[in-house]
Amino acid sequence: EVHLVESGGGFVQPGRSLRLSCAASGFTFDDYAMHWVRQAPGKGLEWVSGISWNSGSTNYADAVKGRFVIARDNTKRSLYLHLNSLKTEDTALYYCAKGTRLALTEGYFDSWGQGALVTVSA
Amino acid sequence: QTVVTQEPSFSVSPGGTVTLTCGLSSGSVSSTYYPSWYQQTPGQAPRTLIYSTSTRSSGVPDRFSGSILGNRAALTITGAQADDESNYYCALYIHSGIWVFGGGSRLTVL
Repeated sequence: EVHLVESGGGFVQPGRSLRLSCAASGFTFDDYAMHWVRQAPGKGLEWVSGISWNSGSTNYADAVKGRFVIARDNTKRSLYLHLNSLKTEDTALYYCAKGTRLALTEGYFDSWGQGALVTVSA
Repeated sequence: QTVVTQEPSFSVSPGGTVTLTCGLSSGSVSSTYYPSWYQQTPGQAPRTLIYSTSTRSSGVPDRFSGSILGNRAALTITGAQADDESNYYCALYIHSGIWVFGGGSRLTVL
């Protein structure tokens, strides 16, 4: 059974940085692209970023491009999201989601973690 | 900027049929956007229902079905049950490794 567990969330001031982690188990981690999807309080889902199986390709939503960096360590079966220059509008529950292809192409999100809450406030 | 549109809310009677749709602010949704659908109840992580337009994810009851209707992707629930009351989100693969979610549809069963 696929299991995704996020960690690293917390309270942070605007302009500061934070790193989220996602520990994966129950599948061959380096066979799949991985994603981060966020949900602001009371709002809908928003795709944030994706990374291919070998880190060769990464992509970002316009709202976070240039501020967030996605990374993975296949030896540790872990996905990361470095959140830099945080804004109040980045406040959200951040979900780790498993892709269904090696590459960042087509596919969908077939498994989800429970999320890590990031609160950005002065 | 690509905007994916969904009806904000729907209501359906128990046992009834409802169709939620997913469109693009400009252009038509086709299977080449690989539409997928997700169900989320408050406080829970999303659950994957449908992918590649019409394929049900493992364990999803066959009362959920996906299709393309006109220029929109559609999720139809046939024989709605009380525990179908949830928020439903579609996602489209836009291009070059970019996905966009719709704003979600809140379904009430009453």
